[in-house]
Order: sequence, then structure tokens, then C-alpha cells
Amino acid sequence: IQMTQSPSSLSTFVGDRVTITCQASQDIRHYLNWYQQKPGKAPKVLIYNASNLETGVPSRFSGSGSGTDFTFTISNLQPEDIATYYCQKSDNPMYTFGQGTKLEIK
Amino acid sequence: EVQLEQSGAEVRKPGESLKISCKTSGFKFNNYWIAWVRQQPGKGLEWMGIIYPSDSYTTYNPSFQGQVTISADKSTSTAFLQWSSLRASDTALYYCARRIYFDDVNGNLVDFFDIWGQGTMVTVSS
Repeated sequence: IQMTQSPSSLSTFVGDRVTITCQASQDIRHYLNWYQQKPGKAPKVLIYNASNLETGVPSRFSGSGSGTDFTFTISNLQPEDIATYYCQKSDNPMYTFGQGTKLEIK
Repeated sequence: EVQLEQSGAEVRKPGESLKISCKTSGFKFNNYWIAWVRQQPGKGLEWMGIIYPSDSYTTYNPSFQGQVTISADKSTSTAFLQWSSLRASDTALYYCARRIYFDDVNGNLVDFFDIWGQGTMVTVSS
């Protein structure tokens, strides 16, 4: 199963709403996670099972979707949200990641 | 505190062997799967494989099958990633990560990598 993430990069303003999409080549039901990787750091999970916010993650992050089409949203973008975001499928046993979306602030 | 502490950066020549480690603490090593993830310079994340230390059952991404070996030592709560013959294309940052999975309140399986090591940089150059 291939994971196609878009866009590959995004330049936007503080306070904006940001949307990233991830498409699976086959139905993965709700088995889709979203990670944030800040420069020089290990990834960190933000959303699991498509729409569930991991404990401690700010509520401006959200996810939706099922089957093959998924969306990740940051509402009210903050400067500390500068990072690369990855989707990951988790329907065992392959944990394929999307290509990543690099977020920059204008 | 739950931690995954990875071994330090390595520099090797093509054709050489290498084994890097991921020492865990703060949880029952035998009860959790440990995954390895590659990140080549300036590139994205690639899942390489995963091991269940209790019985050393291992699953590999087909792209890495036969290229690397994942193992675990229960006595030291440490997972390993090794190469028998490195290539320049193996130059990358390698992360280990703990897989967590459980049923949520609705009976849906939850499955993701919740704790990550700090990464081990491997440089292969002649």
C-alpha cells in the first residue's frame, strides 16, 4: 500500500489554517497516524487512528478521514508548529510513511 | 521514565559491518515491539522493520529485507540494527521507536510509535 501525501511543502502565515492530505492506495479504514518532526528532533505522534488527539497535543491540531482519504489540519498556526509532518499507515504489518510536508512560515 | 537511548554516531567504509543499538528503560521490554526507521539526509521517514523481543519475531519492510538484521537482547533490554556490508546509500539517521497498541473504548485497535530514540547517524564513505 502506498501513501501519497500533499503538498510536499507549504509556506503560510501565523494564524492561518493549514491542511495536509494523505491518500492511501488501498482502504486502510481508520489506521492512519500523523507525526510532527521538528528540525534535529525525533518524530512525535500528534494524531492516531485518523482523528484521535494524542495526550498533551494542542487542540489546534486535528485529523479526519477514513478508507483512502485523510486530512490533517492545524488551525491558528503558531510559530512553534514549524516542522515536517508525516502520515503513517498502521494496518499491520507495514508501517509506511507518507513523503512528508514541510511547513514554513512566511 | 520511559526512554530509548541509542548508540553514538558511526563512520564506516563501504563493505564494512556495523551494529547499532537502542537501549530501553522504564518499561517491560519483552512486552513491546521495537521498530527501526531510516531517514536519509534531507529525506523522509522509512519504516525498516520491527521486532517483538519476547520471542524475537521480526517483520521487515520488503525494501530492507536481506539488507539489514534486526535483533534484541532481553537480558539488557536492547534492540539492535546491523549490516554485514555497508553501502554509501546506507548513510542516514536511524531511529528506534516503541510501538504501542491497544483497544480504545470503542474496541478499535490503536497502533502507533509512541516513544522514539534520539537517532544514530551512520555515515558510510570511502
